[in-house]
Amino acid sequence: GENVEQHPSTLSVQEGDSAVIKCTYSDSASNYFPWYKQELGKRPQLIIDIRSNVGEKKDQRIAVTLNKTAKHFSLHITETQPEDSAVYFCAASIGRTGNQFYFGTGTSLTVIP
Amino acid sequence: GAVVSQHPSRVICKSGTSVKIECRSLDFQATTMFWYRQFPKQSLMLMATSNEGSKATYEQGVEKDKFLINHASLTLSTLTVTSAHPEDSSFYICSARDSGYRPYSGANVLTFGAGSRLTVL
Repeated sequence: GENVEQHPSTLSVQEGDSAVIKCTYSDSASNYFPWYKQELGKRPQLIIDIRSNVGEKKDQRIAVTLNKTAKHFSLHITETQPEDSAVYFCAASIGRTGNQFYFGTGTSLTVIP
Repeated sequence: GAVVSQHPSRVICKSGTSVKIECRSLDFQATTMFWYRQFPKQSLMLMATSNEGSKATYEQGVEKDKFLINHASLTLSTLTVTSAHPEDSSFYICSARDSGYRPYSGANVLTFGAGSRLTVL
């Protein structure tokens, strides 16, 4: 089955700096890669996603890049703000209907004011 | 956007009792729902995939007789923790995917419930 690895497990950045979180996956059949943000005690919320037919996607301060050949994808947050502090999870999904989602182990991001 | 309601948000029960957690998709139909367990500061561990009208698919190591899943309608899946013990105390989260397939739109998007914190005394 699919194996998703996520690094780093913890990340601290100064406010205004950029943060990068990286994930790798093992199954080349994976074709959908969402990123979720989970604040303490709350549900994971989708913040951005990318499909395998696209190499990069950007939404304001958040961007995701995908390298299908290397089987890795990354989350980039620019101009970080304290409210970006949360746990971020990457995931990989296989198939058009995506009936299996495999999550990374999570990255706890702390933005220091 | 899609909304998933999960109830109860918190439950405390005595050891040996059973607890039912509900997961509802409020504005979409979900033939598939997922149940996760999350330990403090850890990732989401998929427990089982709930399939409407058929048996759930359990992940390796998850006891199907312990964690009963019923997906009787396109908008409701339930997880029952039977004969709960303190080691079952955890945060349980459900998620659902909109069954309506629209190419290159939100077909694969997972929406999560708010989670249920179970404490077994």
